[in-house]
Amino acid sequence: AQSVTQLGSHVSVSEGALVLLRCNYSSSVPPYLFWYVQYPNQGLQLLLKYTSAATLVKGINGFEAEFKKSETSFHLTKPSAHMSDAAEYFCAVYGGSQGNLIFGKGTKLSVKP
Amino acid sequence: EAGVTQFPSHSVIEKGQTVTLRCDPISGHDNLYWYRRVMGKEIKFLLHFVKESKQDESGMPNNRFLAERTGGTYSTLKVQPAELEDSGVYFCASSQDHHETALWGTEAFFGQGTRLTVV
Repeated sequence: AQSVTQLGSHVSVSEGALVLLRCNYSSSVPPYLFWYVQYPNQGLQLLLKYTSAATLVKGINGFEAEFKKSETSFHLTKPSAHMSDAAEYFCAVYGGSQGNLIFGKGTKLSVKP
Repeated sequence: EAGVTQFPSHSVIEKGQTVTLRCDPISGHDNLYWYRRVMGKEIKFLLHFVKESKQDESGMPNNRFLAERTGGTYSTLKVQPAELEDSGVYFCASSQDHHETALWGTEAFFGQGTRLTVV
């Protein structure tokens, strides 16, 4: 069965600092992995996805994530945080035979001026 | 192009009452998904429609929940009677292709969610 663990329900960084949001997964099959973002009062928006092509995936708004099979991780990073990055971020894995997405609990990112 | 629209954005009802949530997918999207996030928990899958047919309803919590998709267009999710533990945010998503067949080449677009509070 597939599962996702996001380490840290809240992360706070200063504007201009590195953003690192952690995600570890468990999957009995080669995983398809995703990061979604939810800005206040908006729906979930796809940031990026890994579908077994390149292990370093670039997404929108300067975010990227690296798939590391040996560590079963898919951490999300951004070199320099912007105030507009404040949002909640969700890591998800495709559920395989379940045919749906399995989400982590989410990480709220705060950006301090 | 309009995105996925959910109505209402917020709903507060008393325990035992009935509530109906509505989702209008992106036009032309055959696949429609409902997800729910209970406070402090993960977003969890509820069910999946392909056009008007229920493809997978394995995530529906119990028979107090009834989902329909009239004519393969909009969908409703009815909770009757509502219980306190039904409180949470209900998300709807739609896509042109199913997750598996498209290998997620086609993105699923999510609505902003309906926040349901049962008191």
